[in-house]
Amino acid sequence: GNSVTQMEGPVTLSEEAFLTINCTYTATGYPSLFWYVQYPGEGLQLLLKATKADDKGSNKGFEATYRKETTSFHLEKGSVQVSDSAVYFCALSVSLFSGGYNKLIFGAGTRLAVHP
Amino acid sequence: DTAVSQTPKYLVTQMGNDKSIKCEQNLGHDTMYWYKQDSKKFLKIMFSYNNKELIINETVPNRFSPKSPDKAHLNLHINSLELGDSAVYFCASSQEVRGTAAYTQYFGPGTRLLVL
Repeated sequence: GNSVTQMEGPVTLSEEAFLTINCTYTATGYPSLFWYVQYPGEGLQLLLKATKADDKGSNKGFEATYRKETTSFHLEKGSVQVSDSAVYFCALSVSLFSGGYNKLIFGAGTRLAVHP
Repeated sequence: DTAVSQTPKYLVTQMGNDKSIKCEQNLGHDTMYWYKQDSKKFLKIMFSYNNKELIINETVPNRFSPKSPDKAHLNLHINSLELGDSAVYFCASSQEVRGTAAYTQYFGPGTRLLVL
């Protein structure tokens, strides 16, 4: 079946540290991959996405590369800020059937806490 | 502002009551979704509607009944509320492109439901 596995949190870092949040997936066909972010008390926002193998998604200093050979989409940022504290969700979308509709499948989420 | 909006933001109610949550999007999208997020932040799709037609129903108890009066609105009615229904419910919308999984879902701010 289709599934997403993320590293368990919480991840606690000091400001300006390097961030990696691991994400691996299992999917039939050719999924698109996403990272969504949820700030405290808010809904989810798209952070970045990649739609085919070797694509790199990037936004706000975050980046992730779609690696088909390792079925991974790890999120990285070179220097985190306190304002990056949030829950990060890796997700994949698959077509429900040929030419049909899509479905987003989320990982369990990883909480990031950045302190000054 | 263009967005996905939900009402109410908070809902506290007694077991056995019936309640509704409303969602509206003014993004011109043709597909809307309901998600449930539990206390561990795990996010799972419940329903999806495309142009007022139900396309995803994820084995949700039939106490939950979605209704889409038009493609800009998707409401969720819950009968006989139970303690386990306490969660955050998110509405989302997207513009489906059939045959491709490369689309973005836009989320509302969530409705925090507490059943006592």
